[in-house]
Amino acid sequence: KQEVTQIPAALSVPEGENLVLNCSFTDSAIYNLQWFRQDPGKGLTSLLLIQSSQREQTSGRLNASLDKSSGRSTLYIAASQPGDSATYLCAPRGGSYIPTFGRGTSLIVHP
Amino acid sequence: DGGITQSPKYLFRKEGQNVTLSCEQNLNHDAMYWYRQDPGQGLRLIYYSQIVNDFQKGDIAEGYSVSREKKESFPLTVTSAQKNPTAFYLCASTLRQGTGSNYGYTFGSGTRLTVV
Repeated sequence: KQEVTQIPAALSVPEGENLVLNCSFTDSAIYNLQWFRQDPGKGLTSLLLIQSSQREQTSGRLNASLDKSSGRSTLYIAASQPGDSATYLCAPRGGSYIPTFGRGTSLIVHP
Repeated sequence: DGGITQSPKYLFRKEGQNVTLSCEQNLNHDAMYWYRQDPGQGLRLIYYSQIVNDFQKGDIAEGYSVSREKKESFPLTVTSAQKNPTAFYLCASTLRQGTGSNYGYTFGSGTRLTVV
């Protein structure tokens, strides 16, 4: 059964810092890995999806990397802003129909 | 625009009542899921369905029921047997496996259920 761990569980930083959020998973036989953002009381919004054949995927200030063989993905947030404050979750997708999510990293960016 | 619509956004249930949460998608996705989220906890799977007229229990199915009569709809009923239903409920969908590695999951905006 796939297990997903996200480190750190919580992060509080001043505006402008570059951030690294980590996601590790136990079963490397995945099709892709998806990063989500969740604001309080809201649904999950997809940020990036990295296919298993890719190493990186970028969208604006966000960059996600994937090392499938070692079971790791990293989400980089450049020049963080208060609007980036949210919980970030990762979800590796494998052969099972049941998606597995990490518990997330709760990020606060203060002005 | 395609997406998932959950309704209502807020729902209040009296003791002993059954209530139904709606989830509709126009993405032509095959699989649909219901999750429960409690404060400080991760997503917990209640039920999922891979195809029409078929569904499976997740980790916390007790006190809940679902149906999948149409591909685009996957309603969740919270029955009176669910003793602690106050939570945030999320619906998700995706294309079936084997359709390529570039498909992910899409989520609705959630329903907050409160027992009064």
